[in-house]
Amino acid sequence: AAGVIQSPRHLIKEKRETATLKCYPIPRHDTVYWYQQGPGQDPQFLISFYEKMQSDKGSIPDRFSAQQFSDYHSELNMSSLELGDSALYFCASSLRGQGYEQYFGPGTRLTVT
Amino acid sequence: GDSVTQMEGPVTLSEEAFLTINCTYTATGYPSLFWYVQYPGEGLQLLLKATKADDKGSNKGFEATYRKETTSFHLEKGSVQVSDSAVYFCALRPKTSYDKVIFGPGTSLSVIP
Repeated sequence: AAGVIQSPRHLIKEKRETATLKCYPIPRHDTVYWYQQGPGQDPQFLISFYEKMQSDKGSIPDRFSAQQFSDYHSELNMSSLELGDSALYFCASSLRGQGYEQYFGPGTRLTVT
Repeated sequence: GDSVTQMEGPVTLSEEAFLTINCTYTATGYPSLFWYVQYPGEGLQLLLKATKADDKGSNKGFEATYRKETTSFHLEKGSVQVSDSAVYFCALRPKTSYDKVIFGPGTSLSVIP
């Protein structure tokens, strides 16, 4: 079965640079979620989109922005990167009204040097 | 605010041993409860869920029962295998949110032959 696709899988950036992470949800899923998992920590909810509109917002820094496009894929844009942004970034998708079960992608590991 | 507490790991068991990972939560109302598993180098996979009190979620030999009285959702398996070695996250979705999932700190399980 098709799963959530994230790209790139690994990304290395320097401080103050910009990064863009991409997420392709499971076909027909209409909701996308972004989570950040620091080393040895639990995933923290960042933001979600339903039908291309922001649905909920968590602890997402102002330096980060995200959007969902007409084909339902989503991008997380991160600017002025800091060392503390080094983490595993997960995208998840779901279909509203179907139990809201979130299916997670493999994650993008971002390292800021 | 809403939160999840799990027993600290790492937990090391011999193959075929009985597994219990304790999980308690704090939330307003009755949240949906989940167990996710993260295998080394992979994303999060939904293991099981329960959406109301006294519900029992089960999958792949794992079980957890939604206990409203004790605000708990302990994960159990009667006979673990080496392939069960992973990090297990207890999580909740608040009643007031369609999107945000709040994770516990995770419990690392190692099963030795």
